[in-house]
Amino acid sequence: EVLLVESGGGLVKAGGSLRLSCATSGFTFRDYNMNWVRQAPGKGLEWVSSITIGSSYIYYADSVRGRFAISRDDAKNSLYLQMNGLRAEDTAVYYCARTSGSHDYFDYWGRGTLVTVSS
Amino acid sequence: SYVLTQAPSVSVAPGDTARVTCGGNNIGSKSVHWYQQRPGQAPVLVIYYDSDRPSGIPERFSGSNSGNTATLAISRVEAGDEADYYCQVWDRGHVIFGGGTKLSVL
Repeated sequence: EVLLVESGGGLVKAGGSLRLSCATSGFTFRDYNMNWVRQAPGKGLEWVSSITIGSSYIYYADSVRGRFAISRDDAKNSLYLQMNGLRAEDTAVYYCARTSGSHDYFDYWGRGTLVTVSS
Repeated sequence: SYVLTQAPSVSVAPGDTARVTCGGNNIGSKSVHWYQQRPGQAPVLVIYYDSDRPSGIPERFSGSNSGNTATLAISRVEAGDEADYYCQVWDRGHVIFGGGTKLSVL
């Protein structure tokens, strides 16, 4: 069974930092592109960042570029999101999602971790 | 940047067909994927590559894409289909989501 479990969320003051983790199991992690997607309270889905196999390519939404950094540790089957310079508008549930094979859609999602930034 | 436009809400009676649309400039030239998100839950893929269904998704879910509009159709709507639905495309290294449509079953 494919499982994605996020952790590391919490309450942080504006300007602070957090590091999110996504522990995975049930598939060969190193063979998949991975992503972070967030959802502000009562709002829609917003893509945050993607990282390809071997960390060859990394992409960011304009809203987080320069403040967030995505990374992966294939030995630990884990995905990370380092978030610096946090703002109130970064408050959201952050989901880890797997890209299906060499395609461009997300076939498995974690349950999310809540990040709250106080201003 | 590329924009996907969805109506905020759609209402349908049980047993009827619901149609959720996703508008974008020449979206027919892109691959569109659809997600269902029930309250308090993570999104679930229901349609990929315009019209393909993942295993476990009922045949009642179908999709189409042409011109400037992609459509998710749900036939014989059930109470359990009440959820938010999001369309998604890739555009120049960015993932784009539509704003979401809340499907209410009357």
